[in-house]
Amino acid sequence: GQQVMQIPQYQHVQEGEDFTTYCNSSTTLSNIQWYKQRPGGHPVFLIQLVKSGEVKKQKRLTFQFGEAKKNSSLHITATQTTDVGTYFCAGNSNYQLIWGAGTKLIIKP
Amino acid sequence: DTGVSQNPRHKITKRGQNVTFRCDPISEHNRLYWYRQTLGQGPEFLTYFQNEAQLEKSRLLSDRFSAERPKGSFSTLEIQRTEQGDSAMYLCASSLAPVGAGELFFGEGSRLTVL
Repeated sequence: GQQVMQIPQYQHVQEGEDFTTYCNSSTTLSNIQWYKQRPGGHPVFLIQLVKSGEVKKQKRLTFQFGEAKKNSSLHITATQTTDVGTYFCAGNSNYQLIWGAGTKLIIKP
Repeated sequence: DTGVSQNPRHKITKRGQNVTFRCDPISEHNRLYWYRQTLGQGPEFLTYFQNEAQLEKSRLLSDRFSAERPKGSFSTLEIQRTEQGDSAMYLCASSLAPVGAGELFFGEGSRLTVL
């Protein structure tokens, strides 16, 4: 069946270091969404990418959608404690939203 | 402005009991979704309503699960004869856009623990 693989499962970083999570789909996607879930919270929408090769920025967050519309990434520059949480991608394929398993961002004490 | 509201927030029940969760979506949203989430996993799609019509239901969903949205506003998710494997967070989301095409607004979730 259709799958969206997301890696890594966890990423431990020192505050101030960068963070990246990657999503790869087994099928071409119409669009891809990114959500953030804080510990104990619910997913909150961050952004949607639609166009092939699209790059969008939100302050320290950079989102990319691959040329083939099968992969995407989220990069956070200079992480802060407020960035802690799990980041999910969700790809739209044939009007089904297929979720990745998430990447948990952990700030080392 | 109220967001998506779910209740109860927590439910502890014994195996074999029935439970019901309620979701009140954002008022102008005609699309409503139920998801299940277990620890360390992404949301797993359960079912989807457009207005009062249940348009899609996961093939993985047991016959013990049923959902309704009788007047196209609030929705209920009932689990009959609960099993320990049903323990999870049940998330409701609503949207205006077609499936996958726009932002999902999630509620805080209803956490189910089956003893």
